[in-house]
Amino acid sequence: GENVEQHPSTLSVQEGDSAVIKCTYSDSASNYFPWYKQELGKRPQLIIDIRSNVGEKKDQRIAVTLNKTAKHFSLHITETQPEDSAVYFCAASLRSTASKLTFGTGTRLQVTL
Amino acid sequence: DSGVTQTPKHLITATGQRVTLRCSPRSGDLSVYWYQQSLDQGLQFLIQYYNGEERAKGNILERFSAQQFPDLHSELNLSSLELGDSALYFCASSRLDRNTEAFFGQGTRLTVV
Repeated sequence: GENVEQHPSTLSVQEGDSAVIKCTYSDSASNYFPWYKQELGKRPQLIIDIRSNVGEKKDQRIAVTLNKTAKHFSLHITETQPEDSAVYFCAASLRSTASKLTFGTGTRLQVTL
Repeated sequence: DSGVTQTPKHLITATGQRVTLRCSPRSGDLSVYWYQQSLDQGLQFLIQYYNGEERAKGNILERFSAQQFPDLHSELNLSSLELGDSALYFCASSRLDRNTEAFFGQGTRLTVV
């Protein structure tokens, strides 16, 4: 089955700096790659997603890039703010949907003042 | 608020018991997904229903079962509970089965003692 690896497991940045989280996946047939943000004790919230027919997608301070050849995708957060502090999960799916999403192990991002 | 409602929020029960977790999807969403989040296994896909029918199955134990009713709400039944079943159980919903993002509910925290 699909396997998703996520790095780093923890990331500390200063407010205003950029943060980058990287994920690799194993199944070349995967075609949907969402990113979720989860604050402590709360639900995962979809922040951005990308499908395999595009290489990059941006939404304000958040961007995701996808390299299908290398089977990796990355989340970029610019001008980080304290409220960006959370655990971020990448995921991959074969069905271009949330069905059978395989999640990475999460990255705990801490934005310090 | 994602619009996905899960009840109860917390549940404490003894080993060997059976519990039912309930999920009401967002208005108009036909697909419901169940995920388990534990410290050692991370976020794992359990099962998906679409318009009342089982659509996809993940790492769901035989002791667990689910269904989606005509009004589209879903229930996850966990039986013969073990200590290792203690986890956060999330329900997510999406409009369709494909090419659509999923939104998570707040989760049910199950503690088996």
